[in-house]
Amino acid sequence: QLQLQESGPGLVKPSETLSLTCTVSGGSVSSSNYFWDWIRQPPGRGLEWIGNIYSTGSTYYNPSLKSRVTISVDTSKNQFSLNLNSVTAADTAVYYCARRDGHWGQGTLVTVSS
Amino acid sequence: DIQMTQSPSSLSASVGDRVTITCRASQGISNYLAWYQQKPGKVPKLLIYDASTLQSGVPSRFSGSGSGTDFTLTISSLQPEDVATYYCQKHDSPPYTFGQGTKLEIK
Repeated sequence: QLQLQESGPGLVKPSETLSLTCTVSGGSVSSSNYFWDWIRQPPGRGLEWIGNIYSTGSTYYNPSLKSRVTISVDTSKNQFSLNLNSVTAADTAVYYCARRDGHWGQGTLVTVSS
Repeated sequence: DIQMTQSPSSLSASVGDRVTITCRASQGISNYLAWYQQKPGKVPKLLIYDASTLQSGVPSRFSGSGSGTDFTLTISSLQPEDVATYYCQKHDSPPYTFGQGTKLEIK
């Protein structure tokens, strides 16, 4: 059974970089033809697609975040990661990792505050 | 970029009612549309993909239809456990934008 688990700091200071990792178990991030997504949800608001990485290693980003986002994969650890730099309070949200076919992590709340 | 607009933003219906939620894309996306259900405090759950294909394990009272720019999610007989916010998402090409959500409550 495929499982995804987000990990990373729950508190990030303004202007710093938010870094999260998604650890995949029960399957491989190298599996062909899958998109591995990052999605976020500010408190009380809707879902926002941040970006993803394809099994080929190609990345795609939300244009509204593109200048600040990097998604990468570490096949040796079966993980993929999200870096979002120059964060502000508007980046406070629950961050989810997911595989396009409906498998999601439990989400992790990241608060941006000094 | 293609925008996804859901309507209504919220609705209230009675148990047993037929409920329809609409999602409109600002440009055609063929049938590359998914529907998610998010119950309060829970992780979103994939209900339907490719506009009309029911995800395994999802009750048959849920159905999806549409192609191009107009899509619908229908619950044939509303149950109390269907209280949730429903989101559509385009998955033809990036950015994979979500609709703003439709909050469904029981009357």
